Amino acid sequence: AQKITQTQPGMFVQEKEAVTLDCTYDTSDPSYGLFWYKQPSSGEMIFLIYQGSYDQQNATEGRYSLNFQKARKSANLVISASQLGDSAMYFCAMREGVGFKTIFGAGTRLFVKA
Amino acid sequence: KAGVTQTPRYLIKTRGQQVTLSCSPISGHRSVSWYQQTPGQGLQFLFEYFSETQRNKGNFPGRFSGRQFSNSRSEMNVSTLELGDSALYLCASSLGGGARETQYFGPGTRLLVL
Repeated sequence: AQKITQTQPGMFVQEKEAVTLDCTYDTSDPSYGLFWYKQPSSGEMIFLIYQGSYDQQNATEGRYSLNFQKARKSANLVISASQLGDSAMYFCAMREGVGFKTIFGAGTRLFVKA
Repeated sequence: KAGVTQTPRYLIKTRGQQVTLSCSPISGHRSVSWYQQTPGQGLQFLFEYFSETQRNKGNFPGRFSGRQFSNSRSEMNVSTLELGDSALYLCASSLGGGARETQYFGPGTRLLVL
């Protein structure tokens, strides 16, 4: 069954340091997409980064990179050089090749300290 | 290109009433999905539409319904509102809804049921 697990309810990081947010997933579908979204207190979900199940390279988007370990079924988000504006909820999500449905993890709240 | 828009942004209703929420996808996007977000249950998939057809539905009672119009705009309706329906309702659009397509979210509609 499709499942996403984020085990860190909250994380603290010092400004300008890197932080890793954990995400593990479970699926029997060989074709799937993994996504990370940021949700500030305003509520809007902001797309950060995508990794496809067949992609050989880890995805990167500016300060965001995705550490994709397919055999371990993990897709951790790495934020480099944290900024105060990075304080928000972060959600890991997965969409399978069939079903037209995205499932989300419980989220990790990130606090960036000055 | 304009993003996903949702109206209204805020809504207050009383128990037993019904409500209709609207979502306009990004131009060219034909897949629209709806999600309910609550502090207790997190982000839960409601349904997905493509070309006016519902392709998948989440585990919600029949009081939750939706539809999509020929211009890809979508509405969701909740009848006989209950206190537990208070939530942030998010709409997301993508080109065709495939596993490797990024979904872009609207700002959400915050519904409060009194």
